[in-house]
Amino acid sequence: GQQVMQIPQYQHVQEGEDFTTYCNSSTTLSNIQWYKQRPGGHPVFLIQLVKSGEVKKQKRLTFQFGEAKKNSSLHITATQTTDVGTYFCAGRRGGKLIFGQGTELSVKP
Amino acid sequence: NAGVTQTPKFQVLKTGQSMTLQCAQDMNHNSMYWYRQDPGMGLRLIYYSASEGTTDKGEVPNGYNVSRLNKREFSLRLESAAPSQTSVYFCASSETQGDSPLHFGNGTRLTVT
Repeated sequence: GQQVMQIPQYQHVQEGEDFTTYCNSSTTLSNIQWYKQRPGGHPVFLIQLVKSGEVKKQKRLTFQFGEAKKNSSLHITATQTTDVGTYFCAGRRGGKLIFGQGTELSVKP
Repeated sequence: NAGVTQTPKFQVLKTGQSMTLQCAQDMNHNSMYWYRQDPGMGLRLIYYSASEGTTDKGEVPNGYNVSRLNKREFSLRLESAAPSQTSVYFCASSETQGDSPLHFGNGTRLTVT
């Protein structure tokens, strides 16, 4: 079954509002990656976190990796219509990269 | 530089038919993967190949076989298609199996009736 859980499954926001998606694993991950998939497209790599407690920023996006390396979050400040899509976390355990179910973000202008 | 190329883009099969999904990458990557994507289930790993000459099962390998033909190509075969295999299939590659990001192809939308 799914070993990397991601919530919420859907999020509808007004343009300008903030957005956060959370990723949780039952076991320790060696690293975590985040991907974005636009409607009708394929997943595109955004960032990778490796260290316990790591925080990385990309413009309006902030990524965190938990101290126990079992959870992660992606926060978008002041969403824009270009942020629409599904955001996936993916945790590496051994040789496998296991994806969460994704959070589908819609932004109302 | 095409990246990861998948063929076909769309396919409709009848139950029991067989087919092979093709994938090729031109980035000289060592590792290649096949995922399926279903609504609400995210991306689930079917099989992967850490390096040329090796293949391993992922989360949902039943009903599928793979071949790492050479460093560039990694094919996915459905021997006897079932309606439960209706899905979008993505091939991906990465430089190594470790910390490298995945590069995805555009996907194959498969319907089994």
